[in-house]
Amino acid sequence: GQNIDQPTEMTATEGAIVQINCTYQTSGFNGLFWYQQHAGEAPTFLSYNVLDGLEEKGRFSSFLSRSKGYSYLLLKELQMKDSASYLCAAMDSNYQLIWGAGTKLIIKP
Amino acid sequence: DAGITQSPRYKITETGRQVTLMCHQTWSHSYMFWYRQDLGHGLRLIYYSAAADITDKGEVPDGYVVSRSKTENFPLTLESATRSQTSVYFCASSELGGNYGYTFGSGTRLTVV
Repeated sequence: GQNIDQPTEMTATEGAIVQINCTYQTSGFNGLFWYQQHAGEAPTFLSYNVLDGLEEKGRFSSFLSRSKGYSYLLLKELQMKDSASYLCAAMDSNYQLIWGAGTKLIIKP
Repeated sequence: DAGITQSPRYKITETGRQVTLMCHQTWSHSYMFWYRQDLGHGLRLIYYSAAADITDKGEVPDGYVVSRSKTENFPLTLESATRSQTSVYFCASSELGGNYGYTFGSGTRLTVV
C-alpha cells in the first residue's frame, strides 16, 4: 500500500533550526512535495524534490533520498510566523499526491 | 482574478439536505481535486477529474457527487448531508506532472447540524 509517515507535532525555539522528517512508500515515484498550512488556511507549496539531494530556498531546505524513501524539511532561523502544519506529499506513478497527516510545528519565544 | 476560488467560505446545513460546494479555476489546469480535511486524518481525496467530463473516485467518495462539464468548474454535491460530513473541504487544481504540485482554494468549512 501507499503510505506517508511524519511526526504529529514538534516544538522549537525562535531563532533555532528544526528538521521535519518524512518517510514514504508509493507505487512509483514522481517527486516529493512539502506544503505549509497555517491554521484555518489552505496548504501552500514550499518545495519539490525529484532527484536525490538538498534543495535550498532561503531559510527553508528540503532533502530527498529516493533509495531510502526519506525526505526532510529543514527550517532555519525560525520565526514565530513559521508556526504552522507542514505536510509531506509524494507523487505516485499516476501523478497523484499521497499525503501525510502533517506535522504541527510550535515555535516558542 | 487568476486563481482558484471556492464558495461558499462557510456553510451550515441540516442533516438530509442537499448542498453544493463550488470550485472555479482560471488557469485551465487539466486536473481538479476535492479533499476533505479532518483532525487526525490529514487530507483525504474525495473525487478528482483529469479533464472535462472525466471524473474518478478517491479514497472517501461515498455520499458525494461531482461533475465537470467545463474545464474551469468542479462542483461537489452532498446529496443528503450527514453529521459525519462536517469538515473543511478543499478544492485543488494542477497540470499533469507539474513541479508545483497542487494549488488549493481557500476552503469551505461545512457544518452539518
